[in-house]
Amino acid sequence: GAVVSQHPSRVICKSGTSVKIECRSLDFQATTMFWYRQFPKKSLMLMATSNEGSKATYEQGVEKDKFLINHASLTLSTLTVTSAHPEDSSFYICSASLAGGPSDTQYFGPGTRLTVL
Amino acid sequence: GQSLEQPSEVTAVEGAIVQINCTYQTSGFYGLSWYQQHDGGAPTFLSYNALDGLEETGRFSSFLSRSDSYGYLLLQELQMKDSASYFCAVGTDKLIFGTGTRLQVFP
Repeated sequence: GAVVSQHPSRVICKSGTSVKIECRSLDFQATTMFWYRQFPKKSLMLMATSNEGSKATYEQGVEKDKFLINHASLTLSTLTVTSAHPEDSSFYICSASLAGGPSDTQYFGPGTRLTVL
Repeated sequence: GQSLEQPSEVTAVEGAIVQINCTYQTSGFYGLSWYQQHDGGAPTFLSYNALDGLEETGRFSSFLSRSDSYGYLLLQELQMKDSASYFCAVGTDKLIFGTGTRLQVFP
Protein backbone atom coordinates (compact mmCIF):
# COMPACT_ATOMS: atom_id res chain seq x y z
CA GLY A 1 0.00 0.00 0.00
CA ALA A 2 0.88 3.66 -0.24
CA VAL A 3 3.33 4.89 2.36
CA VAL A 4 3.70 8.41 3.69
CA SER A 5 6.54 9.41 5.97
CA GLN A 6 7.00 12.43 8.19
CA HIS A 7 10.14 13.87 9.67
CA PRO A 8 10.83 14.55 12.44
CA SER A 9 8.52 12.40 14.51
CA ARG A 10 9.06 14.54 17.56
CA VAL A 11 10.56 17.97 18.07
CA ILE A 12 11.06 20.19 21.07
CA CYS A 13 12.01 23.79 20.48
CA LYS A 14 12.27 27.11 22.25
CA SER A 15 9.66 29.79 21.84
CA GLY A 16 10.42 32.05 18.90
CA THR A 17 12.19 29.51 16.75
CA SER A 18 10.92 28.06 13.47
CA VAL A 19 10.35 24.39 12.89
CA LYS A 20 10.13 22.60 9.56
CA ILE A 21 8.20 19.35 9.17
CA GLU A 22 8.58 17.22 6.06
CA CYS A 23 5.95 14.97 4.55
CA ARG A 24 6.97 12.50 1.84
CA SER A 25 5.03 10.06 -0.27
CA LEU A 26 7.44 7.15 -0.61
CA ASP A 27 6.01 4.99 -3.35
CA PHE A 28 3.57 7.18 -5.21
CA GLN A 29 3.21 10.67 -6.59
CA ALA A 30 0.94 13.01 -4.71
CA THR A 31 -0.37 16.09 -6.47
CA THR A 32 -2.23 16.99 -3.31
CA MET A 33 -1.17 16.76 0.31
CA PHE A 34 -3.08 17.83 3.38
CA TRP A 35 -1.87 19.14 6.70
CA TYR A 36 -3.83 18.52 9.89
CA ARG A 37 -3.45 19.58 13.48
CA GLN A 38 -4.70 17.49 16.36
CA PHE A 39 -4.93 18.43 20.02
CA PRO A 40 -5.03 15.69 22.69
CA LYS A 41 -8.22 13.66 22.56
CA LYS A 42 -9.62 15.84 19.81
CA SER A 43 -10.37 15.36 16.16
CA LEU A 44 -8.15 16.19 13.22
CA MET A 45 -8.49 19.76 12.07
CA LEU A 46 -7.57 20.45 8.48
CA MET A 47 -5.11 23.33 8.29
CA ALA A 48 -4.38 23.54 4.59
CA THR A 49 -4.37 21.78 1.27
CA SER A 50 -0.99 21.68 -0.42
CA ASN A 51 -0.93 21.49 -4.20
CA GLU A 52 2.24 20.69 -6.11
CA GLY A 53 3.54 23.71 -7.94
CA SER A 54 1.00 26.17 -6.61
CA LYS A 55 0.12 28.01 -3.45
CA ALA A 56 -1.48 26.17 -0.58
CA THR A 57 -5.12 26.67 0.26
CA TYR A 58 -5.58 27.49 3.92
CA GLU A 59 -8.64 26.78 6.00
CA GLN A 60 -10.44 29.62 7.67
CA GLY A 61 -8.66 30.79 10.78
CA VAL A 62 -5.26 29.34 9.88
CA GLU A 63 -2.56 31.99 9.53
CA LYS A 64 -0.70 31.43 6.28
CA ASP A 65 2.23 33.55 7.41
CA LYS A 66 2.50 31.48 10.57
CA PHE A 67 2.25 28.10 8.92
CA LEU A 68 4.24 28.16 5.69
CA ILE A 69 3.57 25.31 3.29
CA ASN A 70 5.67 24.40 0.31
CA HIS A 71 4.93 21.55 -2.11
CA ALA A 72 7.92 21.67 -4.41
CA SER A 73 7.66 18.18 -5.85
CA LEU A 74 5.17 15.37 -6.29
CA THR A 75 6.62 13.53 -3.31
CA LEU A 76 7.42 16.25 -0.79
CA SER A 77 5.49 18.88 1.11
CA THR A 78 6.87 20.88 4.02
CA LEU A 79 5.15 22.73 6.83
CA THR A 80 7.17 25.40 8.61
CA VAL A 81 5.85 26.71 11.90
CA THR A 82 7.39 30.17 12.10
CA SER A 83 8.18 31.88 15.40
CA ALA A 84 6.66 29.02 17.33
CA HIS A 85 4.97 29.65 20.65
CA PRO A 86 3.71 27.25 23.33
CA GLU A 87 0.17 27.40 21.93
CA ASP A 88 1.52 25.90 18.70
CA SER A 89 2.38 22.72 20.57
CA SER A 90 0.33 20.00 18.94
CA PHE A 91 0.37 16.83 16.86
CA TYR A 92 0.77 17.66 13.18
CA ILE A 93 -0.22 15.04 10.64
CA CYS A 94 0.06 15.10 6.89
CA SER A 95 -1.75 13.00 4.34
CA ALA A 96 -1.26 12.47 0.66
CA SER A 97 -3.80 11.86 -2.03
CA LEU A 98 -2.98 9.66 -4.95
CA ALA A 99 -2.42 11.63 -8.11
CA GLY A 100 -5.72 11.72 -9.92
CA GLY A 101 -7.50 9.79 -7.20
CA PRO A 102 -10.61 10.91 -5.35
CA SER A 103 -10.13 12.98 -2.25
CA ASP A 104 -11.21 10.10 -0.08
CA THR A 105 -8.15 8.02 -0.86
CA GLN A 106 -5.76 9.60 1.61
CA TYR A 107 -2.75 8.00 3.23
CA PHE A 108 -1.56 9.48 6.50
CA GLY A 109 1.93 10.04 7.78
CA PRO A 110 2.85 8.94 11.30
CA GLY A 111 2.61 12.49 12.63
CA THR A 112 4.98 14.96 14.25
CA ARG A 113 4.62 15.93 17.86
CA LEU A 114 5.74 19.51 18.38
CA THR A 115 6.44 20.84 21.84
CA VAL A 116 7.31 24.51 22.18
CA LEU A 117 8.86 25.49 25.48
CA GLY B 1 -20.71 24.69 7.32
CA GLN B 2 -20.04 21.01 7.62
CA SER B 3 -20.25 19.12 10.89
CA LEU B 4 -20.13 15.47 11.81
CA GLU B 5 -21.16 14.40 15.27
CA GLN B 6 -20.13 11.20 17.03
CA PRO B 7 -20.53 9.92 20.57
CA SER B 8 -17.46 10.87 22.55
CA GLU B 9 -16.89 7.48 24.15
CA VAL B 10 -18.10 3.90 23.87
CA THR B 11 -17.14 0.95 26.07
CA ALA B 12 -17.62 -2.76 25.42
CA VAL B 13 -16.17 -6.14 26.34
CA GLU B 14 -14.14 -8.52 24.23
CA GLY B 15 -16.20 -10.52 21.78
CA ALA B 16 -19.06 -8.05 21.79
CA ILE B 17 -20.49 -6.00 18.95
CA VAL B 18 -20.44 -2.21 19.04
CA GLN B 19 -21.91 0.43 16.75
CA ILE B 20 -20.46 3.91 16.43
CA ASN B 21 -22.83 6.43 14.94
CA CYS B 22 -22.07 9.46 12.82
CA THR B 23 -24.65 12.12 12.08
CA TYR B 24 -23.74 14.90 9.74
CA GLN B 25 -24.89 18.23 8.45
CA THR B 26 -23.28 18.55 5.08
CA SER B 27 -24.05 17.89 1.47
CA GLY B 28 -22.42 17.27 -1.83
CA PHE B 29 -19.82 14.81 -0.64
CA TYR B 30 -18.42 11.82 -2.47
CA GLY B 31 -18.70 9.36 0.37
CA LEU B 32 -18.36 8.60 4.08
CA SER B 33 -15.12 7.14 5.35
CA TRP B 34 -14.08 5.66 8.67
CA TYR B 35 -10.63 5.86 10.20
CA GLN B 36 -9.04 4.26 13.26
CA GLN B 37 -6.40 6.01 15.30
CA HIS B 38 -4.46 4.53 18.19
CA ASP B 39 -3.00 6.91 20.76
CA GLY B 40 -0.01 8.74 19.30
CA GLY B 41 -0.45 7.13 15.91
CA ALA B 42 -1.66 8.07 12.48
CA PRO B 43 -5.23 7.52 11.30
CA THR B 44 -5.64 4.38 9.25
CA PHE B 45 -8.40 3.80 6.73
CA LEU B 46 -11.07 1.29 7.69
CA SER B 47 -14.04 1.56 5.39
CA TYR B 48 -15.75 3.72 2.79
CA ASN B 49 -19.35 4.13 1.64
CA ALA B 50 -19.93 5.88 -1.65
CA LEU B 51 -23.51 4.63 -1.88
CA ASP B 52 -26.24 4.05 0.65
CA GLY B 53 -26.18 0.69 2.30
CA LEU B 54 -23.83 -1.62 4.12
CA GLU B 55 -20.20 -2.28 3.28
CA GLU B 56 -18.53 -5.22 4.99
CA THR B 57 -14.79 -5.58 5.47
CA GLY B 58 -13.97 -8.46 7.76
CA ARG B 59 -15.00 -7.70 11.32
CA PHE B 60 -15.84 -4.11 10.39
CA SER B 61 -18.91 -2.94 8.52
CA SER B 62 -20.02 0.55 7.66
CA PHE B 63 -23.41 1.91 6.73
CA LEU B 64 -24.57 5.09 5.06
CA SER B 65 -28.00 6.64 4.60
CA ARG B 66 -27.80 9.96 2.79
CA SER B 67 -31.54 10.57 3.19
CA ASP B 68 -31.13 10.33 6.97
CA SER B 69 -27.74 12.13 7.05
CA TYR B 70 -26.48 9.22 9.09
CA GLY B 71 -23.90 6.53 9.05
CA TYR B 72 -22.35 4.04 11.42
CA LEU B 73 -19.39 1.77 11.90
CA LEU B 74 -20.10 -1.70 13.23
CA LEU B 75 -17.31 -3.61 14.93
CA GLN B 76 -17.88 -7.30 15.59
CA GLU B 77 -15.99 -9.83 17.69
CA LEU B 78 -14.26 -7.04 19.55
CA GLN B 79 -10.64 -7.50 20.51
CA MET B 80 -8.52 -5.59 22.99
CA LYS B 81 -6.51 -4.14 20.11
CA ASP B 82 -9.66 -2.43 18.82
CA SER B 83 -9.37 0.06 21.69
CA ALA B 84 -8.71 3.27 19.79
CA SER B 85 -10.38 6.41 18.51
CA TYR B 86 -12.64 6.15 15.50
CA PHE B 87 -13.47 9.00 13.15
CA CYS B 88 -16.01 9.33 10.41
CA ALA B 89 -15.12 11.69 7.58
CA VAL B 90 -16.78 13.05 4.49
CA GLY B 91 -14.85 13.64 1.32
CA THR B 92 -15.29 16.51 -1.04
CA ASP B 93 -12.10 18.09 -2.35
CA LYS B 94 -10.75 17.33 1.12
CA LEU B 95 -11.64 15.22 4.13
CA ILE B 96 -13.66 16.69 6.96
CA PHE B 97 -13.44 14.62 10.11
CA GLY B 98 -16.08 13.93 12.72
CA THR B 99 -15.67 14.67 16.40
CA GLY B 100 -14.32 11.19 17.08
CA THR B 101 -15.32 8.30 19.34
CA ARG B 102 -13.00 6.73 21.84
CA LEU B 103 -13.66 2.99 22.10
CA GLN B 104 -12.47 1.11 25.15
CA VAL B 105 -12.61 -2.65 25.04
CA PHE B 106 -12.44 -4.48 28.36
CA PRO B 107 -11.55 -8.13 28.95
